[in-house]
Amino acid sequence: DTAVSQTPKYLVTQMGNDKSIKCEQNLGHDTMYWYKQDSKKFLKIMFSYNNKELIINETVPNRFSPKSPDKAHLNLHINSLELGDSAVYFCASSPISSVGGNEQFFGPGTRLTVL
Amino acid sequence: DQQVKQNSPSLSVQEGRISILNCDYTNSMFDYFLWYKKYPAEGPTFLISISSIKDKNEDGRFTVFLNKSAKHLSLHIVPSQPGDSAVYFCAAENQGGKLIFGQGTELSVKP
Repeated sequence: DTAVSQTPKYLVTQMGNDKSIKCEQNLGHDTMYWYKQDSKKFLKIMFSYNNKELIINETVPNRFSPKSPDKAHLNLHINSLELGDSAVYFCASSPISSVGGNEQFFGPGTRLTVL
Repeated sequence: DQQVKQNSPSLSVQEGRISILNCDYTNSMFDYFLWYKKYPAEGPTFLISISSIKDKNEDGRFTVFLNKSAKHLSLHIVPSQPGDSAVYFCAAENQGGKLIFGQGTELSVKP
């Protein structure tokens, strides 16, 4: 059983399109995250939700909109895709929050390529 | 402005020897430091963490050392095994619970 799953694993699309990446966790965690790993390999947090409420919102373009229908799901919708959005996007979850050195559990990643 | 840096993009070690992965940070207010391991086409998995009030934490073959005055931490793996070959990410946690990652070091353990 996959603890944190993401779909799709690969996504190739044209500039200007709108796309969504879905994330689900079956660990019963309260907190979920989206990270972006860019071409320089840095993993940077984009958003964090705790029990469906937004708690971290980094300086991400407002073309990116996370949506949490329930605490087991955190989807990422991206409008008007740009070339610079090409990256690997990771979803993660943690119990309550990761404060205190608690580990985060990551999904396998979604490789987005914008042409 | 990268607050967590791993200056060695790669490291090659012989099986059975010690692997030492290094990480530097700039913010003295970080509360915890964590190491994650990542295999290709998978997400990072948690390895070990250390509180900023400690200078060492050990878990089996893995030991993390923290030098707060130098703002430096290191992960020691001994003995190294071929299955340890992966990318290792250092991360620092701020008081808001946000993780800030380094860019990773690719470890190759040769039989």
